[in-house]
Amino acid sequence: EAQVTQNPRYLITVTGKKLTVTCSQNMNHEYMSWYRQDPGLGLRQIYYSMNVEVTDKGDVPEGYKVSRKEKRNFPLILESPSPNQTSLYFCASSLRLARNNEQFFGPGTRLTVL
Amino acid sequence: QQQVKQSPQSLIVQKGGISIINCAYENTAFDYFPWYQQFPGKGPALLIAIRPDVSEKKEGRFTISFNKSAKQFSLHIMDSQPGDSATYFCAASETSGGYQKVTFGIGTKLQVIP
Repeated sequence: EAQVTQNPRYLITVTGKKLTVTCSQNMNHEYMSWYRQDPGLGLRQIYYSMNVEVTDKGDVPEGYKVSRKEKRNFPLILESPSPNQTSLYFCASSLRLARNNEQFFGPGTRLTVL
Repeated sequence: QQQVKQSPQSLIVQKGGISIINCAYENTAFDYFPWYQQFPGKGPALLIAIRPDVSEKKEGRFTISFNKSAKQFSLHIMDSQPGDSATYFCAASETSGGYQKVTFGIGTKLQVIP
């Protein structure tokens, strides 16, 4: 089944404790992206990657890191999480960088930083 | 500053009625306008999309109306059903700096009551 998977789905952590949220897609997509979803703010892009070893900042990159060592994987790293990073996170992928390419979203990771 | 303004934030419609969600934008470089549907506990999924050279697109009970001169577009759900209860995001994309940047609205939570 073609899909985007994220792990973990739920995470409660404390301020400053480094964490990684994994994202993997099995559709051979070139383009991958991370979003956070907050009430009243919608979906905001954190980072994106156009292909292996090519990543760039989205609209809200502060406090996050990413890497793209393999085409299928795009982990999101919070090196020193803070409470304002409590949010619902989505990974997404699309076949290529084209105007009408559909983005496929993962199921989401709900993160709480205490 | 929201590049894509979406309203209302929440909407309650009776079964069989018409649900209408509106979006407006300022950036004339936007060249593709998708709508995503998100059920509770799931990631968003592409519902329907339109290009700005088309004034209307219909897929089943879902219709996008697009007014290029007013820079507005809307989603109409005819004969709304309880199964349509979800959060709907409008979005707009542009090709900028060599990549497709997608900007989402804040989302509309639709509840269809029997």
